[in-house]
Amino acid sequence: DAKTTQPPSMDCAEGRAANLPCNHSTISGNEYVYWYRQIHSQGPQYIIHGLKNNETNEMASLIITEDRKSSTLILPHATLRDTAVYYCIVRVAMGNRDDKIIFGKGTRLHILP
Amino acid sequence: DGGITQSPKYLFRKEGQNVTLSCEQNLNHDAMYWYRQDPGQGLRLIYYSQIVNDFQKGDIAEGYSVSREKKESFPLTVTSAQKNPTAFYLCASSTPLGEAQHEQYFGPGTRLTVT
Repeated sequence: DAKTTQPPSMDCAEGRAANLPCNHSTISGNEYVYWYRQIHSQGPQYIIHGLKNNETNEMASLIITEDRKSSTLILPHATLRDTAVYYCIVRVAMGNRDDKIIFGKGTRLHILP
Repeated sequence: DGGITQSPKYLFRKEGQNVTLSCEQNLNHDAMYWYRQDPGQGLRLIYYSQIVNDFQKGDIAEGYSVSREKKESFPLTVTSAQKNPTAFYLCASSTPLGEAQHEQYFGPGTRLTVT
């Protein structure tokens, strides 16, 4: 089972910041939080990941709460091309034989013109 | 260009036939994964492999088989025992978590239709 909980869908106006929440209350100390997105009928695309600190790259920002039980992905200026399903996942192990990556159902983000 | 290729993009088979989906990567990644996606659903893990000649069952391995004879290749066979094989199949690869770049890279997917 996925270790994360996300709202099934969200709307955001074009040009505004899109804030996508994720709960991962059972996250372990050595588990990273990853975000991916999937545009219809394509393979998922990596967006960003973090462990404890907030992270920012050219696509998005990731805010992780101090207790690490939740996080928020921020798309600062959403465009129509950001319409996709966004997945928040936690990586369950440290690269050993049992390392596997489990996806939940994600959040379907609709960017409204 | 480095990346993951899956072929074919669309595949049609008759019920009762085994079918093998191809996945190749030239990213020098150790780990490879197979996921299944049904309409409106998230990705479900079928099989994964952290190293050549070793693989693990995921959450929905029944009716599927894999091999990992080469680092670059991780083919998935959908057998006749899989009750609902029609789906979108995604292959991914990654480096181990301890390395700097350890996100997953996904292929474009194969849409399998069994009638």
